[in-house]
Amino acid sequence: NAGVTQTPKFHILKIGQSMTLQCTQDMNHNYMYWYRQDPGMGLKLIYYSVGAGITDKGEVPNGYNVSRSTTEDFPLRLELAAPSQTSVYFCASSSHGASGGAKREQYFGPGTRLTVT
Amino acid sequence: GESVGLHLPTLSVQEGDNSIINCAYSNSASDYFIWYKQESGKGPQFIIDIRSNMDKRQGQRVTVLLNKTVKHLSLQIAATQPGDSAVYFCAENPPNDYKLSFGAGTTVTVRA
Repeated sequence: NAGVTQTPKFHILKIGQSMTLQCTQDMNHNYMYWYRQDPGMGLKLIYYSVGAGITDKGEVPNGYNVSRSTTEDFPLRLELAAPSQTSVYFCASSSHGASGGAKREQYFGPGTRLTVT
Repeated sequence: GESVGLHLPTLSVQEGDNSIINCAYSNSASDYFIWYKQESGKGPQFIIDIRSNMDKRQGQRVTVLLNKTVKHLSLQIAATQPGDSAVYFCAENPPNDYKLSFGAGTTVTVRA
C-alpha cells in the first residue's frame, strides 16, 4: 500500500510551457485534492474531486485544470506556466469528505516542487 | 482572510520541555478539527483529530484541546524531542463540506 504518490518530485518549467503533475492513490478513496504551498505559507486548495468524473474549483484554480477519469488518478495540468506558479504542489485523498462519524482525514503525497523561470 | 489562523508563527522549545501550539478558527459551524505535522521537504502527516462533541483528546505524547466558546484549538506535545521539529498546521471542517481549511502553520524548533 503506497498511499498517495506524486510525480515528478522536482521540475523546472519555462514560462509559457505546459505540464501535467501526476497523482495516484491506491486506497480506493473517492475524494482527492490538489493544494499549492508557497514558501512559509499554508496550503491553498486548487481543485478537488468527489469521485470519478466530478471535479470542482478550490480557492486558487486560475491557470490550472484537472480531470478525474478513474478513482485512482487525479492529474493537475498547468497551461502557459507563469512564475507565480512556482510552488510546491501536494495531492491528497480522503475516504470521507463530509460529516458523520467517519474520519475526514486527508492523506498527503510527498509533493512536487515546481519552478517556473 | 483565512478562516483558520495561528497565534504564533514560530516556537522555540528546549528538548524535554512541553510544547503548546495554538490555533484560532473562525467558522463556528466547524465540527471536525485536525492537526498535521510537516517535516522539511515532506507532505503533511496526520497527528490527531477531534470532533466538536469533545473538549480534549489524547494521543501518544500529544493532546488536543478544543474550546468552542472562544473558537480555539491547541496542540500540546509532551517531552518535546528533536524529531518534533517541524511546521504544525491546524485544519477545520464544517459538516457536509468536502474541504479542509488550513491555517498558516507554526514552525517548532527544538533546542538541544
